[in-house]
Amino acid sequence: EDQVTQSPEALRLQEGESSSLNCSYTVSGLRGLFWYRQDPGKGPEFLFTLYSAGEEKEKERLKATLTKKESFLHITAPKPEDSATYLCAVQEVGWGGSQGNLIFGKGTKLSVKP
Amino acid sequence: GAGVSQSPSNKVTEKGKDVELRCDPISGHTALYWYRQSLGQGLEFLIYFQGNSAPDKSGLPSDRFSAERTGGSVSTLTIQRTQQEDSAVYLCASSLGTGFSGNTIYFGEGSWLTVV
Repeated sequence: EDQVTQSPEALRLQEGESSSLNCSYTVSGLRGLFWYRQDPGKGPEFLFTLYSAGEEKEKERLKATLTKKESFLHITAPKPEDSATYLCAVQEVGWGGSQGNLIFGKGTKLSVKP
Repeated sequence: GAGVSQSPSNKVTEKGKDVELRCDPISGHTALYWYRQSLGQGLEFLIYFQGNSAPDKSGLPSDRFSAERTGGSVSTLTIQRTQQEDSAVYLCASSLGTGFSGNTIYFGEGSWLTVV
């Protein structure tokens, strides 16, 4: 059973057409939820970390929100340069409170057409 | 450099050969991670180093895979007797590793391994 599920797998938008990407998760104790952007042939680029339900963070046209079961990445008036794969990952509270590894979803591939 | 540095960026090797992949984390980062990303798949955790603690090796897929981290900095991922299914991008990441403020995890550009 996947601990992190992202939907949709792929999303095609017209430039300016706002939408949201979903990341649902099941972990016993959430230390943090991460959003990354990945361009073809590149490593993931950090976008946001969210730590607790109700938290929101924004960066340019992107806004990330968090509940106890899921996170949304809202994209407002997207541009073609926002085309990429968006990855969600969760980090569980480890033994002794240590930082543990990230558990990734499979990503949402976003295409924005001019 | 300012970011996580990985080498080689591309490696083509013959089946059965050993390969070594290197990761130089961001200066001062005590936590270091290795992940694998196969074509069309999500990122798969391999191994995690935190300071002087014993590494978390729970993600290594077989005993052909091993990793070490010398002096708390540079790490090497070694794959022995490579198989075609080992073909993937191997991504290294690092973080400050202490407390919530040091939680941001930064990735390198990856080492693309092709086993022929």
